[in-house]
Amino acid sequence: GENVEQHPSTLSVQEGDSAVIKCTYSDSASNYFPWYKQELGKRPQLIIDIRSNVGEKKDQRIAVTLNKTAKHFSLHITETQPEDSAVYFCAAHTGRRALTFGSGTRLQVQP
Amino acid sequence: DSGVTQTPKHLITATGQRVTLRCSPRSGDLSVYWYQQSLDQGLQFLIQYYNGEERAKGNILERFSAQQFPDLHSELNLSSLELGDSALYFCASSATGLGSYEQYFGPGTRLTVT
Repeated sequence: GENVEQHPSTLSVQEGDSAVIKCTYSDSASNYFPWYKQELGKRPQLIIDIRSNVGEKKDQRIAVTLNKTAKHFSLHITETQPEDSAVYFCAAHTGRRALTFGSGTRLQVQP
Repeated sequence: DSGVTQTPKHLITATGQRVTLRCSPRSGDLSVYWYQQSLDQGLQFLIQYYNGEERAKGNILERFSAQQFPDLHSELNLSSLELGDSALYFCASSATGLGSYEQYFGPGTRLTVT
């Protein structure tokens, strides 16, 4: 089955800096890659996603890039703010079953 | 608010007991997914239903079962509870059974087994 690895597990940045979280997946048939943000004790919230026919997608301060050949995708957050502090999960989907999630990255933005 | 509702929000019960968690998907969504999130852990997929039928199974224990009813709400039944079953249980819904569309999560049910 699909396996998703996510790095780093924790990330601390200064307010205003950029943050990058990387994920790799194992199943070349995966075709959908969402990113979720989860604040403590709350539900995961979909923040951005990308499909396999697109290499990059941007939404204001967040962007996701996908390299199908290397089977990896990344989340980029620019001009980080304290409210960006949360756990971020990447996920991959092949169409056969539900999402396979990465292990999460705890992002802390220092004011 | 994602439009997915879950009840109850919190549940405290003893080992050996049985509980039922309930989920109502977003209006129009046919698929319901159940996930388990233990403390400081990732999201583990348990099971998926699409329009009343089981579509996919993940790491769901035999003590756990689920169903989706004609009105599309779903219930997750956990029996012979153990301390290790304490976790946040999320359901998510999406528009199609293929799962290649966005999944929206409910607020979760926090289960504590004592």
